[in-house]
Amino acid sequence: EAEVAQSPRYKITEKSQAVAFWCDPISGHATLYWYRQILGQGPELLVQFQDESVVDDSQLPKDRFSAERLKGVDSTLKIQPAELGDSAMYLCASSRGTGDNEQFFGPGTRLTVL
Amino acid sequence: GQQLNQSPQSMFIQEGEDVSMNCTSSSIFNTWLWYKQDPGEGPVLLIALYKAGELTSNGRLTAQFGITRKDSFLNISASIPSDVGIYFCAGQRFGNEKLTFGTGTRLTIIP
Repeated sequence: EAEVAQSPRYKITEKSQAVAFWCDPISGHATLYWYRQILGQGPELLVQFQDESVVDDSQLPKDRFSAERLKGVDSTLKIQPAELGDSAMYLCASSRGTGDNEQFFGPGTRLTVL
Repeated sequence: GQQLNQSPQSMFIQEGEDVSMNCTSSSIFNTWLWYKQDPGEGPVLLIALYKAGELTSNGRLTAQFGITRKDSFLNISASIPSDVGIYFCAGQRFGNEKLTFGTGTRLTIIP
């Protein structure tokens, strides 16, 4: 069964350091999403890609967060510099297309900022 | 950001019991999705609903799209230990709008 892959699964870093997360969506899925999930809450969208283009990054803190999907397949989310409040689960999801509501999630990256 | 209201926030049941939970909004939604999340893992899609009044099953799980289009319901029959986890609803109001997630219902099975 096709799955969304994410790495690393866990990341511990000190504040002010840079971190990067990687996501490989389900093959053939044109739309890719990055979410942040704080403990005890539902996921919140950070950025959405349609192929290599950003569709929605209105909730992405652009002073420190960046995301790219250069070839329209896998994607990288970066935080620089990391802050204590960035500690959360970072989830990647994909769907067949922007009009397809069924999003499939990867296992996530648990980030702890010390 | 906005989140949908889920009820109850947590449930403690015995194995074999049936479970009911719901998700409500002040806005009309065109799509409702239900996900289950295990600790340390990503959410897994259980059921997708696209029409008001629609009733859809996936094994022991049954979900309904509320007639008012402002709510959705999930039922689990004859619960088993692997049902433990957090259940999230998610909704989309229109077209290409992003999903809005609920606050989650945590299900615990008492031995």
